Amino acid sequence: DIQMTQSPSSVSASVGDRVTITCRASQGISSWLAWYQQKPGKAPKLLIYGASSLQSGVPSRFRGSGSGTDFTLTITSLQPEDFATYYCQQANSFPLSFGGGTKVEIK
Amino acid sequence: QVHLVESGGGVVQPGGSLTLSCAASGFTFSDYGMHWVRQAPGKGLEWVAFLRSDGSDTYYPDSVKGRFTISRDIYKNTLNMEMNSLRTEDTAVYYCAKTGRGYYVDYWGQGTLVTVSS
Repeated sequence: DIQMTQSPSSVSASVGDRVTITCRASQGISSWLAWYQQKPGKAPKLLIYGASSLQSGVPSRFRGSGSGTDFTLTITSLQPEDFATYYCQQANSFPLSFGGGTKVEIK
Repeated sequence: QVHLVESGGGVVQPGGSLTLSCAASGFTFSDYGMHWVRQAPGKGLEWVAFLRSDGSDTYYPDSVKGRFTISRDIYKNTLNMEMNSLRTEDTAVYYCAKTGRGYYVDYWGQGTLVTVSS
C-alpha cells in the first residue's frame, strides 16, 4: 500500500503570503496526485489533479508541481477564503490513499 | 449540474448493519466510477470503496474489505453501500463521490453521519 505523508501538519500565514505544502508518497506514483481543499463542515473540493492540472473554476494562485514521490501545492498569494485544510491523494493504485492534511490558519 | 445526496446514516450498535444510499443527478450515472470516502470526527479523509463505471469491479481497503459492499442501481441513479459487522472505528461522515479523470473525485455529496456506539 502507498502511504502519503504531508508536511507541515499546520501552518500560520497572513493574507498575501506565499504558502507551500508538501506531500511525499512512499513509492513512485508518476503524476497520479490530486489536491483537495476542505473547509469546516463542508465536503472537500478538488483543486489540482494530475499533480499540476488546475481543476476548472479554481483560481490560478493555486499551483501544483512534482512527480514520482515528491509533490508540492503552492498558494502564491493567500486570500481570506483560502484558510482551510488541504489534502493530497494518490490515484496511482488501489487502495487509494490521502495524506493526513495540512491546516492553513490565520497568523 | 451534478448533485449527490446521501442518506441512511444514523446510530447503530457495534456488530450491527446499515445501508447508505446516494442519489445522483446532473450527469450520466452509468458513465462514471463512484467512490465512498469517510471522515472520522476531527480526523482526515479515508477512501472506503470504489465501483468502476462499467460496474464490473469493486475495490476496498483492508479496513472494510469483507464487511462493506458498494453497488449501484443505474435505473434509479443510486449508489449504495451495505455496511455489516460495524465497529466503533467506523464512526464517521460518509461521502458519496463521483470520479472525473482517472480516480480523482470531482464532485462530493454533503455527507451522512454514521455513529457506531452501544
